[in-house]
Amino acid sequence: RKEVEQDPGPFNVPEGATVAFNCTYSNSASQSFFWYRQDCRKEPKLLMSVYSSGNEDGRFTAQLNRASQYISLLIRDSKLSDSATYLCVVNGASGGSYIPTFGRGTSLIVHP
Amino acid sequence: NAGVTQTPKFQVLKTGQSMTLQCAQDMNHNSMYWYRQDPGMGLRLIYYSASEGTTDKGEVPNGYNVSRLNKREFSLRLESAAPSQTSVYFCASSRGQGASNEKLFFGSGTQLSVL
Repeated sequence: RKEVEQDPGPFNVPEGATVAFNCTYSNSASQSFFWYRQDCRKEPKLLMSVYSSGNEDGRFTAQLNRASQYISLLIRDSKLSDSATYLCVVNGASGGSYIPTFGRGTSLIVHP
Repeated sequence: NAGVTQTPKFQVLKTGQSMTLQCAQDMNHNSMYWYRQDPGMGLRLIYYSASEGTTDKGEVPNGYNVSRLNKREFSLRLESAAPSQTSVYFCASSRGQGASNEKLFFGSGTQLSVL
């Protein structure tokens, strides 16, 4: 079983729609969680960190459920420019360091 | 501010050839990483260096070697390239101060094809 799992999609939604992605992780000792965005053939870029209490950044809301070991990303009022792959990242402890482990990514296509 | 610089951007090799991918960061980060990304597979960790002078294997280290030349530079070497190593390679760095909530800064990637 992969440590970090995501539905690859694609999620195909119209502009203005609300869309949500989930990500599950297997290591209960994982310490921190992130969502990265990756455009085609480009490097991943941090979208937002995910805090225990949940956090919001404009149209984006991230939630963490430690009991069920999943994180979520909600995008409201989708824009064409939101089309990308969204990568879930979990930092787990390894010998005093924290190693980021990536999910396979969820593809989002926003159409007019 | 350059951030993380990776070279080359593109490379074509023949099976059995060797090459080194270079990575340098100017953010005084302690930790550096090499990932590969294949279609549908996400990013998989090849090797990482938690601090200058240390390197450790990640999820897919076979066929690769690394060198942490100094705090700034972390290179990835393919001694005898194989078609299975055709991939996009990303270098990344983080502050590496032992905090769990550190984010990664990425280079722009290397598209490698092995024929």
